[in-house]
Amino acid sequence: NAGVMQNPRHLVRRRGQEARLRCSPMKGHSHVYWYRQLPEEGLKFMVYLQKENIIDESGMPKERFSAEFPKEGPSILRIQQVVRGDSAAYFCASSPTRRQGLGNSNQPQHFGDGTRLSIL
Amino acid sequence: QQPVQSPQAVILREGEDAVINCSSSKALYSVHWYRQKHGEAPVFLMILLKGGEQKGHDKISASFNEKKQQSSLYLTASQLSYSGTYFCGTPDENDYKLSFGAGTTVTVRA
Repeated sequence: NAGVMQNPRHLVRRRGQEARLRCSPMKGHSHVYWYRQLPEEGLKFMVYLQKENIIDESGMPKERFSAEFPKEGPSILRIQQVVRGDSAAYFCASSPTRRQGLGNSNQPQHFGDGTRLSIL
Repeated sequence: QQPVQSPQAVILREGEDAVINCSSSKALYSVHWYRQKHGEAPVFLMILLKGGEQKGHDKISASFNEKKQQSSLYLTASQLSYSGTYFCGTPDENDYKLSFGAGTTVTVRA
């Protein structure tokens, strides 16, 4: 399967613990996006990364949340000291190019199956 | 600002048609359409890049009117497999992050 791989699919944490969500982009993709989806709602942009760089983290909460995409290995979304409000589905998407609408590129973002985070 | 989708939900019988609308208060460079089934990942359907452009995915097509800042998704002769929540996404002026509408839930019944 050459698709976007996320793990774990389900993650249960107690309040105050740390959650680590992993995302391996599609082969040949160097751009990774993280989105959060609350029940019965749409997807909300969190952060956009390229290898070793955070390009835009305007959708990330200022505290407790961080993301990285190292030279080797998957992208990691890290949530420290989780609270009940962090319960959501977290989706990762990847694309091969940055330009998606302007110009001639028509590359979509391909999504992984998501990680369902539940906070007890 | 996220695009606005309408209707919020629609129920169809197999073979019926439906239209889902997506509009924005700001200029649109393109519109992306995705379908998500419950508990699954959003699946890419199509991108509309130019004004008035119609694209098709099986019997699902879409149009994009830049001047009106809106796009419409057309479900023709709906099948049971069309059930799911449809999202439109619009890139921002930096042309990468997508703002998604709240979604339109489509239920197709036999």
